[in-house]
Amino acid sequence: QVQLVQSGAEVKKPGASVRVSCKASGYTFTNYAIHWVRQAPGQSLEWMAWINIGDANTRYSQKFQGRLTISRDTSASTAYMELNSLGSEDTAIYYCALGALDYWGQGTLVTVSS
Amino acid sequence: DIVMTQTPLSSPVTLGQPASISCRSSQSLVHSDGNTYLSWLQQRPGQPPRLLIYRISNRFSGVPDRFSGSGAGTDFTLKISRVEAEDVGVYYCMQGTQFPRTFGQGTKVEI
Repeated sequence: QVQLVQSGAEVKKPGASVRVSCKASGYTFTNYAIHWVRQAPGQSLEWMAWINIGDANTRYSQKFQGRLTISRDTSASTAYMELNSLGSEDTAIYYCALGALDYWGQGTLVTVSS
Repeated sequence: DIVMTQTPLSSPVTLGQPASISCRSSQSLVHSDGNTYLSWLQQRPGQPPRLLIYRISNRFSGVPDRFSGSGAGTDFTLKISRVEAEDVGVYYCMQGTQFPRTFGQGTKVEI
């Protein structure tokens, strides 16, 4: 069965960076894209970025342009999201989701606090 | 960016009764390939979102048939024919026609 398993919760100080991983199994990793979506406490879902795993083509929300990088390692069937220059407003649960948002990871809580 | 607007934002429901959520997009969601990429997701408390409906009216695998989607162009509706206790949560519409993907604000369904 399709599974996306994300790395564990992180606590970061303002100005730091965070890297979240998303390990895929149960399907051919290179055949589908992966999205990154976040959800601040009590808020709606916010789309961040998309990566076509096959050719590494990416699309980013303009909101995060310049401080967000997504990537993948096909040998490890894993996608990555790295967000820099963290502020308190980046405190959220970060999700990876498969192509049509049909399968989701369990979420990774990132807390930014001094 | 395409703005997705849901109504209502909160929907008190009665078990066994129907419920309906509307979603309007700021521009047509018809893609150049002819498909309309409007999805509905459910998020139960403490859980990741779950895909219910894709391309307006197609139920995802394992989704009960009491959930149905309809609409076209810029106006879409999610209906629950008879609400069950497990349907409590927040429902989001999402457009996949254009980047950036965008979500509605969410509609909280509570008993």
